[in-house]
Amino acid sequence: GQNIDQPTEMTATEGAIVQINCTYQTSGFNGLFWYQQHAGEAPTFLSYNVLDGLEEKGRFSSFLSRSKGYSYLLLKELQMKDSASYLCAVRDSGYGGSQGNLIFGKGTKLSVKP
Amino acid sequence: DAGVTQSPTHLIKTRGQQVTLRCSPKSGHDTVSWYQQALGQGPQFIFQYYEEEERQRGNFPDRFSGHQFPNYSSELNVNALLLGDSALYLCASSTGLAGSEWDTQYFGPGTRLTVL
Repeated sequence: GQNIDQPTEMTATEGAIVQINCTYQTSGFNGLFWYQQHAGEAPTFLSYNVLDGLEEKGRFSSFLSRSKGYSYLLLKELQMKDSASYLCAVRDSGYGGSQGNLIFGKGTKLSVKP
Repeated sequence: DAGVTQSPTHLIKTRGQQVTLRCSPKSGHDTVSWYQQALGQGPQFIFQYYEEEERQRGNFPDRFSGHQFPNYSSELNVNALLLGDSALYLCASSTGLAGSEWDTQYFGPGTRLTVL
């Protein structure tokens, strides 16, 4: 089956660093994505990993270990505007030339406090 | 450069009715995927369209159907609405085949459907 797990909620302080973990078990794998979603809004793309290792983009970094079925999103120098849900998604292999669809976790609601 | 657009923003229907939601992909994108997001949940894949054909489908009943037009825009149709169909419906566009970051799916603002 397809299963993606991430913590339901996390709280952190402005200026601090927070790590959001994601573990997955999927029948296929064609990349792992992190999206940010503010309440009532659409998910916005943050990062993409397909090979093992760390990808850094400004204040955001994402790590992937395919052998462990594990990823994390690291947010540095937290700001109040970072309060949002963070969605971990695995793209499956697809078939017949298909791109493969995204399988999402339930999201981690991050609250940044002053 | 316009991003992904969806219409309408909000919609209220009653049980048993039918609804059509619309999506225009980001410029240069040719693939459209639809997702259903219930409150407090992650998006769930409904289906994906490419070259006007349904290319992949998630675990949704036949009441959910779609269409893609030659200009790559797409529609999602839901028949015989149930209370449980109340959700945020998201459209995502992308381009190319599997493999790299340029295949990233970019989401529209969504349509909030309420079924009474």
